[in-house]
Amino acid sequence: DTEVTQTPKHLVMGMTNKKSLKCEQHMGHRAMYWYKQKAKKPPELMFVYSYEKLSINESVPSRFSPECPNSSLLNLHLHALQPEDSALYLCASSQLSWDRASSGANVLTFGAGSRLTVL
Amino acid sequence: GQQLNQSPQSMFIQEGEDVSMNCTSSSIFNTWLWYKQDPGEGPVLLIALYKAGELTSNGRLTAQFGITRKDSFLNISASIPSDVGIYFCAARFYGGATNKLIFGTGTLLAVQP
Repeated sequence: DTEVTQTPKHLVMGMTNKKSLKCEQHMGHRAMYWYKQKAKKPPELMFVYSYEKLSINESVPSRFSPECPNSSLLNLHLHALQPEDSALYLCASSQLSWDRASSGANVLTFGAGSRLTVL
Repeated sequence: GQQLNQSPQSMFIQEGEDVSMNCTSSSIFNTWLWYKQDPGEGPVLLIALYKAGELTSNGRLTAQFGITRKDSFLNISASIPSDVGIYFCAARFYGGATNKLIFGTGTLLAVQP
């Protein structure tokens, strides 16, 4: 299995809703990432989990709450979002955490993304 | 901070033409990656480069890690309609103040049959 699977593919929510995005990989990768991507822009890093511990939070607002229940799963809990949070949310994983020099830390495998629309 | 300047921003070509795009920076990197993203999908890795001067091919794609470690280019030969998408370079310098992977601004490629 060489895939990163994200659900749901599409999500529409109101500003008062609570929802979650889910990500799963079974490649034995030990680092997992959340990125936010606006149309025709590069992905922007939000969070990095290394060995199931949060290692990077790129000053993301608290209305986004990540969770890593185990080495294969990564969630992003959403609450009280704003319309400007509408975007494609990408999950990715890498073999090793990127505080390691090995080439295995560099290559990110991305999921297909969850398209979020906040009304 | 570190930035990757990717050019051109967009390209509109005829099927069969060759394509060239590049990324430059004022910073040096240990790793250069090239990703392609189709509409509504996540980026897919095309080529990974780990040594200055390295030239690597993947089918019709060829990429090089610049000798100064500050740039990289991607060439696509004999383009076909399925080459359409956004191409992103990405680079990383591990051992520095930040180990983060940095993405370029992207090149939108359109191929007319």
